[in-house]
Amino acid sequence: NAGVTQTPKFRVLKTGQSMTLLCAQDMNHEYMYWYRQDPGMGLRLIHYSVGEGTTAKGEVPDGYNVSRLKKQNFLLGLESAAPSQTSVYFCASSRRRRETQYFGPGTRLLVL
Amino acid sequence: QQQVKQSPQSLIVQKGGISIINCAYENTAFDYFPWYQQFPGKGPALLIAIRPDVSEKKEGRFTISFNKSAKQFSLHIMDSQPGDSATYFCAASMNSGYSTLTFGKGTMLLVSP
Repeated sequence: NAGVTQTPKFRVLKTGQSMTLLCAQDMNHEYMYWYRQDPGMGLRLIHYSVGEGTTAKGEVPDGYNVSRLKKQNFLLGLESAAPSQTSVYFCASSRRRRETQYFGPGTRLLVL
Repeated sequence: QQQVKQSPQSLIVQKGGISIINCAYENTAFDYFPWYQQFPGKGPALLIAIRPDVSEKKEGRFTISFNKSAKQFSLHIMDSQPGDSATYFCAASMNSGYSTLTFGKGTMLLVSP
């Protein structure tokens, strides 16, 4: 039982490049979330999903897209990376809306 | 507009002391208040949570105190240990629609030996 896993752990991108971050959970959770964490800014919600095939915008969605084609996976895409997207990205999942969120180990992204 | 204000930003406490982290909110519709703990290089993990029907919840050395009229809640860590050194986030959510968690900006706690 791996919980929430994230791929990759670390990535360096050049401005304008694209990439996809993968989140997988094996707890059969309905809800999944993508956050970014920046120094002094706490955790900010980018996008979330309330079930397979659904996505919704969070607090800071601009520049990101997401997809939830399978219940266990939640993908975060950057179409044209910008230095402002340098951050640590966390994925989380929960069984129901207001239950414990289980976080992955994070992906550290550096955009040059 | 920040909906959950957390203070202090950082905190140094001696081993055995009491660590206190405070959070304040403005939205009276918030009715679920969890605290998450994050160790360096790891993802956050739920520490303890409270709903406003109680004024205090205790789990081991960790206690949440809740003041509904003041719209404030706080985390107390009794007998703080070096292993408690971490970043702590308070959060809040509403019981409506697909309400998600709104996090405070975090408090970096260092417990000195």
